[in-house]
Amino acid sequence: GIQVEQSPPDLILQEGANSTLRCNFSDSVNNLQWFHQNPWGQLINLFYIPSGTKQNGRLSATTVATERYSLLYISSSQTTDSGVYFCAGGEGTYKYIFGTGTRLKVLA
Amino acid sequence: AAGVIQSPRHLIKEKRETATLKCYPIPRHDTVYWYQQGPGQDPQFLISFYEKMQSDKGSIPDRFSAQQFSDYHSELNMSSLELGDSALYFCASSLEGHYYEQYFGPGTRLTVT
Repeated sequence: GIQVEQSPPDLILQEGANSTLRCNFSDSVNNLQWFHQNPWGQLINLFYIPSGTKQNGRLSATTVATERYSLLYISSSQTTDSGVYFCAGGEGTYKYIFGTGTRLKVLA
Repeated sequence: AAGVIQSPRHLIKEKRETATLKCYPIPRHDTVYWYQQGPGQDPQFLISFYEKMQSDKGSIPDRFSAQQFSDYHSELNMSSLELGDSALYFCASSLEGHYYEQYFGPGTRLTVT
């Protein structure tokens, strides 16, 4: 099966800073989603982005499918951005394989 | 907007007991997925159902079984619980014809003592 690596594993930012999170795949994936898991454990959809670039407010994501990686950009970070960010790649039709996550802490 | 509903949200069981977790997908979503997330780990795919038929299977123990009903809700049945089954169990659903975008419920936190 595919392997999903995320970097960095941990990140501490001061409020207002920008950051880039990376997701690498060992093989081609047919689908890709980014999630934010908040401190209460909820998994929140950020982007479905198998290729190309999308933006939603302070967040944007870019996937370069041919090079098997995806990037998540967080600008002007806020304390509410804290939590764990997961990318997940589709394997087969129905299964998502999750990366190990990037743990983000934003300090006030 | 309607979201995936999971019940119960918290469950405490003893070893060797059984547990049933329920999932109600978003209206018009016909595919349901179950994931298990152990403490400090990433979610692991367990099983999925499309139109009440099992569509894919992951690392689901033989002690676990699941099904999807005619109203599209799903139940995950867990028997002979072990301490290692303590985890957050997520259900996700996807819209008919859009299996690639999964929406996750709030999870059921199962603690086995």
